[in-house]
Amino acid sequence: DADVTQTPRNRITKTGKRIMLECSQTKGHDRMYWYRQDPGLGLRLIYYSFDVKDINKGEISDGYSVSRQAQAKFSLSLESAIPNQTALYFCATDPGGTGELFFGEGSRLTVL
Amino acid sequence: DAKTTQPTSMDCAEGRAANLPCNHSTISGNEYVYWYRQIHSQGPQYIIHGLKNNETNEMASLIITEDRKSSTLILPHATLRDTAVYYCIGGDSGGSNYKLTFGKGTLLTVNP
Repeated sequence: DADVTQTPRNRITKTGKRIMLECSQTKGHDRMYWYRQDPGLGLRLIYYSFDVKDINKGEISDGYSVSRQAQAKFSLSLESAIPNQTALYFCATDPGGTGELFFGEGSRLTVL
Repeated sequence: DAKTTQPTSMDCAEGRAANLPCNHSTISGNEYVYWYRQIHSQGPQYIIHGLKNNETNEMASLIITEDRKSSTLILPHATLRDTAVYYCIGGDSGGSNYKLTFGKGTLLTVNP
């Protein structure tokens, strides 16, 4: 089983719908991240959390929100999805500032 | 965080060493150099990182110039499975100000 699991892996939705992407990890890491990747581009940081009570905005947080329900769970929500949020989304963890991130397999979101 | 510059693409023959360059002339003294790779659309995979000394692990070697303005990732015996996008990142994963920004990377194609 994967150490960092993302659900759903693929989702097609319509403009204006609320979408939640979930991430769970079995690595016991405090730090969790959400990244977005668009075709031909690198990864851009949306939000990150250093522990259950800590939430920080990344470089592209507008239109997104997150919830850190437990050490092992970090969810990303799109309150009202729009087409330019169509992208591949990655969750990642790290044990504590080592820079060695462990990524999930990605969630491909299409907003029509 | 330090801006990095990498070639868009490179080719390498199977079995030969792949040397991937990265310029990071604006890197600050406390910022590390990290390398990740992403195979197709999978989650990125950590390879190696260093501050100022050369580093080696089971995957690769990292050579950092003395002035720290550039580095080279070396895959000693490239295989077809090493075909991927390689990201060089200059940043600081510690403290309360997380800085790991993924650029567009270098597409390394290993040819038979």
